[in-house]
Amino acid sequence: DSGVTQTPKHLITATGQRVTLRCSPRSGDLSVYWYQQSLDQGLQFLIQYYNGEERAKGNILERFSAQQFPDLHSELNLSSLELGDSALYFCASSVEAGRGTDTQYFGPGTRLTVL
Amino acid sequence: GNSVTQMEGPVTLSEEAFLTINCTYTATGYPSLFWYVQYPGEGLQLLLKATKADDKGSNKGFEATYRKETTSFHLEKGSVQVSDSAVYFCALKGSNYKLTFGKGTLLTVNP
Repeated sequence: DSGVTQTPKHLITATGQRVTLRCSPRSGDLSVYWYQQSLDQGLQFLIQYYNGEERAKGNILERFSAQQFPDLHSELNLSSLELGDSALYFCASSVEAGRGTDTQYFGPGTRLTVL
Repeated sequence: GNSVTQMEGPVTLSEEAFLTINCTYTATGYPSLFWYVQYPGEGLQLLLKATKADDKGSNKGFEATYRKETTSFHLEKGSVQVSDSAVYFCALKGSNYKLTFGKGTLLTVNP
């Protein structure tokens, strides 16, 4: 158990809908990262927050957004969902802002299925 | 940009066989290197890491050495077990904040 929690574990929804994925980092970690894992794209970095502020952006679509709250939990919002958004979404956390030696610990993931 | 190339799977071995999964990388500067493991139906777990050249990461009988001259971080284990069956990901973290992953290698160990 990494100490990172994600809810829900599974999510099934329809095209055009909006969903919210939630992540609680390990105790003491200030950074939260979101990744998408799909069969065709592999593991892709989406976005990072550090202590409530956006720190880095990766291959995140404009239909997706995220935020980190004062208690450090984070939410990833996916809207106008398409079939191709079906994937496993992972949250990771680390102690610091993400410098080279900082280790990221991953949650169990949320499996999103868009029908 | 940064990239990671790891050997295509699947890899199928018998119990107690020797394992090598090759990983090479492209990055500017001095990245940190990681191996993560994903067991069926689970999330990613950190297996081992190395943060500078010639460092050896090790855990649970697995080892990998950071070779800057060959830009490699090959994963090895002397004697695999059925319980090692999983997908293994090589990853690097450079001067930016994100992890860049390889495509993953599926390992199946048969009794």
